[in-house]
Amino acid sequence: QQPVQSPQAVILREGEDAVINCSSSKALYSVHWYRQKHGEAPVFLMILLKGGEQKGHDKISASFNEKKQQSSLYLTASQLSYSGTYFCGTQTPIDNSGAGSYQLTFGKGTKLSVIP
Amino acid sequence: NAGVMQNPRHLVRRRGQEARLRCSPMKGHSHVYWYRQLPEEGLKFMVYLQKENIIDESGMPKERFSAEFPKEGPSILRIQQVVRGDSAAYFCASSLMAGTGGEQYFGPGTRLTVT
Repeated sequence: QQPVQSPQAVILREGEDAVINCSSSKALYSVHWYRQKHGEAPVFLMILLKGGEQKGHDKISASFNEKKQQSSLYLTASQLSYSGTYFCGTQTPIDNSGAGSYQLTFGKGTKLSVIP
Repeated sequence: NAGVMQNPRHLVRRRGQEARLRCSPMKGHSHVYWYRQLPEEGLKFMVYLQKENIIDESGMPKERFSAEFPKEGPSILRIQQVVRGDSAAYFCASSLMAGTGGEQYFGPGTRLTVT
């Protein structure tokens, strides 16, 4: 089941803040966040493993609400370099893998444009 | 520390030909994943492999597509008798761990165009 991201797109002026949400109808074991610039590979931002976990990386942080099966990515004081498409990925166990393996399913992405 | 390598970066094939996409994981990583991305869309999981084993191929079309990750050498995604609908960017990722802590690192992708 593909996680649902919102909003689909957002335009910010430099210095403004944004929140990107990711929710799933299935139990989440972890949430991954990636950013992809046009024509490039997705770049890993962070992973949240436990409910209630919060992480920060420069001015980008994220939270994971296990009970609500959702995660949010917070971008504060946005910079031009933040522009790109942000994907959340949710991990669910692979049936019968027998090895504790998980499949990562990505949302459709949130396109963020930061303008001067 | 070399990242995930993919080649070729761009591949043009005529309908009916075969496409072979290669992926060398990061050093020390034994878990490889293949994803397909259509323009303006998300990444769609295709297959997950460990050395010499296919762990999960639930996202792979049943026909024409196959993947392998031999003991020696890169992982290969093979598409036989390509059709126009196969045109997409194909990304490979690798991870050190298979569990929930297994963050995946992506290669630059192979952009396949079928004419």
